[in-house]
Amino acid sequence: DQQVKQNSPSLSVQEGRISILNCDYTNSMFDYFLWYKKYPAEGPTFLISISSIKDKNEDGRFTVFLNKSAKHLSLHIVPSQPGDSAVYFCAAKFSGAQKLVFGQGTRLTINP
Amino acid sequence: DTEVTQTPKHLVMGMTNKKSLKCEQHMGHRAMYWYKQKAKKPPELMFVYSYEKLSINESVPSRFSPECPNSSLLNLHLHALQPEDSALYLCASSQAQGNTIYFGEGSWLTVV
Repeated sequence: DQQVKQNSPSLSVQEGRISILNCDYTNSMFDYFLWYKKYPAEGPTFLISISSIKDKNEDGRFTVFLNKSAKHLSLHIVPSQPGDSAVYFCAAKFSGAQKLVFGQGTRLTINP
Repeated sequence: DTEVTQTPKHLVMGMTNKKSLKCEQHMGHRAMYWYKQKAKKPPELMFVYSYEKLSINESVPSRFSPECPNSSLLNLHLHALQPEDSALYLCASSQAQGNTIYFGEGSWLTVV
C-alpha cells in the first residue's frame, strides 16, 4: 500500500520555464511534508517543507503548495535551471514521528 | 553542503567479510538514522536511534548491526552480507522531535 505517490516518473522542462512536480498521499493523518532533491551517487538534499497548517511555503525559486482536501502537494520551481536536473522525492510524516514515507520519485530534466 | 559525513564513500566486500560504515554529525541532533536505497527506488528506513538508544528497527536482518557510540556518531556493522545487499546506504539525522531529516552523501556498498 503506497501511501505517498508520485505518478510521473519523469518530467522534461525547458530552461527558464516553470517546473511543477506533483505528489499525492492517502493518509490524512500525515501533517508534515518534505521535498528532497537527489543527484546520482549522492544522498538526498532537503529542499523545502510544509506543515499541514499551511497551504503554501516559499523559499527562493521553490514553492510548495498543499491541498489537504485533495491530499495533494506540488513543488514549483521557477525559473528552472539546468542544475535542477535531478530526481525529486516527496516525503510525508506524522509530526514528531521519526519515519519518513517517500514517494517513488520524479526525474526532472531541464533542457537548454 | 551536508553536515552529515559518511565514510567510506565506496566499499567492496566479500560475503564472508566484516566491515563497518561510519557516520558523523555535528548539528547537535539527537536522532540518527540508517536508510538503504537501491537504484530507481526511494530510500528505505532501516534503523533509528533516539538519544543514543535504538528506537526503530524495521525488521532488518541481523547481518546488519547498528551502533550509536555517542550522540554524534553512528555505525553500521556488516557481516556475511549477500550480493542483494549491494546498495547506497544513507545516514541521516534530525532533532529528536524534529520534522526535517538531513541526509549524508551515502556509502556505496558492493557485495561480491
